[in-house]
Amino acid sequence: RKEVEQDPGPFNVPEGATVAFNCTYSNSASQSFFWYRQDCRKEPKLLMSVYSSGNEDGRFTAQLNRASQYISLLIRDSKLSDSATYLCVVKSARRDAGGTSYGKLTFGQGTILTVHP
Amino acid sequence: NAGVTQTPKFRILKIGQSMTLQCTQDMNHNYMYWYRQDPGMGLKLIYYSVGAGITDKGEVPNGYNVSRSTTEDFPLRLELAAPSQTSVYFCASSYLVEWSTDTQYFGPGTRLTVL
Repeated sequence: RKEVEQDPGPFNVPEGATVAFNCTYSNSASQSFFWYRQDCRKEPKLLMSVYSSGNEDGRFTAQLNRASQYISLLIRDSKLSDSATYLCVVKSARRDAGGTSYGKLTFGQGTILTVHP
Repeated sequence: NAGVTQTPKFRILKIGQSMTLQCTQDMNHNYMYWYRQDPGMGLKLIYYSVGAGITDKGEVPNGYNVSRSTTEDFPLRLELAAPSQTSVYFCASSYLVEWSTDTQYFGPGTRLTVL
């Protein structure tokens, strides 16, 4: 089983639609959760962190269910500029050879969203 | 600040050739990372460094080497290129005080094709 699994899509939605992406993770010790956005042939960029109580940033709402090991991202009133790949990312603690903890990021394969006029 | 910069942007190698992918950050970040992203896949960690002179293996280190002689630079070396190393390579950096709160910033990537 992959550590982080996402529905790869693609999701094709009209402008103004609401779309939801889901993600599951297998490591119950995972501590932090994020959604990154990656435009075609570009680097990933942090979209938002995901908190246990759920959080909202404008048209974007993220939810975390630790019991079910499930993360979601809801996009309301989709814009053409929202077209991108959305990566679910989970951070867990690792220790390097010197004993220092660092945050290991595990990426899902990404969900492709295309918003059309 | 330029952030994280990577060179070259694109490269085509023949099997068995070697090359170095360059990564530089000007944010005085202590941690630096190399990832690879294969088509339709998430990023996988190749190597990381917690500071100058200290490096450690990630998930997929085979076929690669790294060094960190300065805080700013973290080059990735491919000694004997193989077709399986065709990928997009991203360098990232973060300022880690406490592991759960740092944010990684990514460079623009290097697209490598091995033929």
